[in-house]
Amino acid sequence: KAGVTQTPRYLIKTRGQQVTLSCSPISGHRSVSWYQQTPGQGLQFLFEYFSETQRNKGNFPGRFSGRQFSNSRSEMNVSTLELGDSALYLCASAPRGGNGETQYFGPGTRLLVL
Amino acid sequence: QKEVEQDPGPLSVPEGAIVSLNCTYSNSAFQYFMWYRQYSRKGPELLMYTYSSGNKEDGRFTAQVDKSSKYISLFIRDSQPSDSATYLCATLFGNEKLTFGTGTRLTIIP
Repeated sequence: KAGVTQTPRYLIKTRGQQVTLSCSPISGHRSVSWYQQTPGQGLQFLFEYFSETQRNKGNFPGRFSGRQFSNSRSEMNVSTLELGDSALYLCASAPRGGNGETQYFGPGTRLLVL
Repeated sequence: QKEVEQDPGPLSVPEGAIVSLNCTYSNSAFQYFMWYRQYSRKGPELLMYTYSSGNKEDGRFTAQVDKSSKYISLFIRDSQPSDSATYLCATLFGNEKLTFGTGTRLTIIP
């Protein structure tokens, strides 16, 4: 089975721009979670989608949004980029999510905001 | 106070040594405990998964959970240079999100 794929792998943007990141989960997985990873804060949960509905949300401002399509692929969008948004953005998928299910991570998209 | 605390290291040990990595957590509701390994420029991969207190062994790796003291440990025996990575502990309960420690960067010196 192919693993979780994320595109693009690297991205450079400037402050004020917006960005869209894409995640394709493992075939058959319906839960997709997004995380932000920075050296200072570690891995922080952004949100989780299941069957096209946001099921959980972390403590991030409204500039961070996401969606999930009927084929379980997911996108996250960050509007009005700030320097502090520079991070590795990781996507993880699970069959249904929750209840101790293992999450499988993609390689991440490294975003640099200048 | 963070829900999961982990010493960020870095930690350097000679090849063949026993490595001990530790985390503490504050929420007694956490039920599932995991260790992820993350190589440079890669996403985290699940290494060990335990439910409730006790030990779990997988090859050279042993995960230990002590719910009474809210302490999670990962032991690596006969450490190899290929074990050099960042190790992340994580906890979970019910349908809530995974909560991660900040990660410990480990280097095994040949």
